[in-house]
Amino acid sequence: EAGVAQSPRYKIIEKRQSVAFWCNPISGHATLYWYQQILGQGPKLLIQFQNNGVVDDSQLPKDRFSAERLKGVDSTLKIQPAKLEDSAVYLCASRRDFKSYNEQFFGPGTRLTVL
Amino acid sequence: GDSVTQMEGPVTLSEEAFLTINCTYTATGYPSLFWYVQYPGEGLQLLLKATKADDKGSNKGFEATYRKETTSFHLEKGSVQVSDSAVYFCALSDQGNAGKSTFGDGTTLTVKP
Repeated sequence: EAGVAQSPRYKIIEKRQSVAFWCNPISGHATLYWYQQILGQGPKLLIQFQNNGVVDDSQLPKDRFSAERLKGVDSTLKIQPAKLEDSAVYLCASRRDFKSYNEQFFGPGTRLTVL
Repeated sequence: GDSVTQMEGPVTLSEEAFLTINCTYTATGYPSLFWYVQYPGEGLQLLLKATKADDKGSNKGFEATYRKETTSFHLEKGSVQVSDSAVYFCALSDQGNAGKSTFGDGTTLTVKP
């Protein structure tokens, strides 16, 4: 089966600009995650979707970050306006459902550099 | 909230050496535990998992046992190879919180020939 797809793979922007990332999960996976991974740290959950509903967005900086998952398939994550500290790799992952014993499948990530 | 603590790295070993990477966790419920691996230039992928106390996960010669009494899930391998050089992440998934996952900060392993 095809894996989790993300685009773009790399993005360089200046602070205060906006940026959007796209994710296409594995077909049939109901649960989708967006993580932020700062260099030298583990992935930090930003938002979790179950189908097209938000399950957890407690760590999403809502003043600048937004995410949606229309029709319960593809998802986009947007940052507006970007700050220097947003430089990180943004990972998308999907899971068959939210049962804790199922593994997550990760995309290759988008490396964002904010200048 | 939930948390995962991994031993600090990086770890450098010679080929065929014994590997242990420590991982301890804090969770309110009964989480499932995972080790994910990230090889150079690749995305994270599952290495092994255990879903209840005393379960042992194993894959590619790696093993980890879910120890509820010590809240640990240490990763071990008897004889490492150069190809095992990667970043290893310990993670938990909390069924009581819609499967929310929490990751450690990763341990970088370098194996020298």
